[in-house]
This record gives sequence, structure tokens and C-alpha cells, in this order.
Amino acid sequence: DQQVKQNSPSLSVQEGRISILNCDYTNSMFDYFLWYKKYPAEGPTFLISISSIKDKNEDGRFTVFLNKSAKHLSLHIVPSQPGDSAVYFCAASARSSNTGKLIFGQGTTLQVKP
Amino acid sequence: NAGVTQTPKFQVLKTGQSMTLQCAQDMNHEYMSWYRQDPGMGLRLIHYSVGAGITDQGEVPNGYNVSRSTTEDFPLRLLSAAPSQTSVYFCASSVGGSNQPQHFGDGTRLSIL
Repeated sequence: DQQVKQNSPSLSVQEGRISILNCDYTNSMFDYFLWYKKYPAEGPTFLISISSIKDKNEDGRFTVFLNKSAKHLSLHIVPSQPGDSAVYFCAASARSSNTGKLIFGQGTTLQVKP
Repeated sequence: NAGVTQTPKFQVLKTGQSMTLQCAQDMNHEYMSWYRQDPGMGLRLIHYSVGAGITDQGEVPNGYNVSRSTTEDFPLRLLSAAPSQTSVYFCASSVGGSNQPQHFGDGTRLSIL
């Protein structure tokens, strides 16, 4: 059973426009959420995170929104740049378990066209 | 900075062979994990460790063994490789706790024939 889902396998946007990547989760025990970016032949790199006590976290061009009642989070990239083309994974954890375990979604491939 | 180092980068095995995927980190991180990445499946947790001498199973542990004798190293063993274990394997580490982002190695691409 997929506890973290990214239902859009791919997304294509024009350079300078907004990219919105979505993620849904089912486990109500999750209280910490992260987004990772992955280029081919490299490991995932941490992008941004959000705790369940917040509904928004911003870091430069990247903003993550959390809607706990809907068990939904989204990553906004504004403005999108060609270098943002990569696979984006959302991940979730339950801090109360204190195990460092992360559950990942399937990933969304973002293509930003010049 | 080395960060998380995985070796080898590529490996081809025959069904039934055994091998160990190496993972080392130089950041003195307590937490280490192994994931596999398969098309359409994202990253799935195989085994993890919260410190030297402590390991536990993740989502897909069958067919894999781990040990954590030192803080730095967290090897993943395939005792009898099967074609279903063809995948890209990633090792990750974090400073501690579930509220810390994990740092990943560049992966080992493993093919089982």
C-alpha cells in the first residue's frame, strides 16, 4: 500500500512560469515532509522540508505548502529554470518513531523548456 | 568533502551469486539507510540503522542483510542474488532523528542475470 503518492509521473512547463508538483499521503502519523531533487546518475539531494506545525515553508524560488486536513502537500517553483529539470520526490516521516525512516513517493519528472 | 560514498557504481551478477554493496560516510552521522529505486516505484527503504550495532527492517527487507559495526560503514549484503533485485541502490545518512534531511550517495546500479 503506497503511503505517499505522486500521481503525476511527469510535468512540462515553460521557463519563467510556475511549476507545481503535488504529493498525497495516507498515514496520519506523518508529521515531517521533505522534497528531494534527483538528476540522472546522481543520488537525491535535499531541497526543502516542512513540519506539520506549519502550512508553508519558503526557500528562495521554492515553496512547500502543507494541507493536513487533505493530507496533501505541494512544491511550487517560481520562476522555473531549465536547470530545475529533474525528478522530484516527496518523502514523509513520523518524528515520534525517531528512526529516521523516510517513505518516498514515486517521483515526478519535471521538464522546464527554454 | 566525501559525504556518502558507495562502491561499486556498477555491478553485474549471475543469479545465485552473493555480493556486498559498500556504503561509508565521513560526517559522523548516526542514522544510515539503504533504499532501492525501481521505475514507477520511487525509493523504497530496505534496512536502516539508528547507530552502531543497531539495525532494523524497512519496507522491502527480504533477500538483504545488513550490519553496522562502526558509525562510518553500513554494508548491504545480497546472499543469493535474484533477477528481482536488479535495481539502483542508494545509501543515505543523517545526523539523527526523523526531522533531519538525509544525505544520499550516488548509487550502485546492480543487474542480476
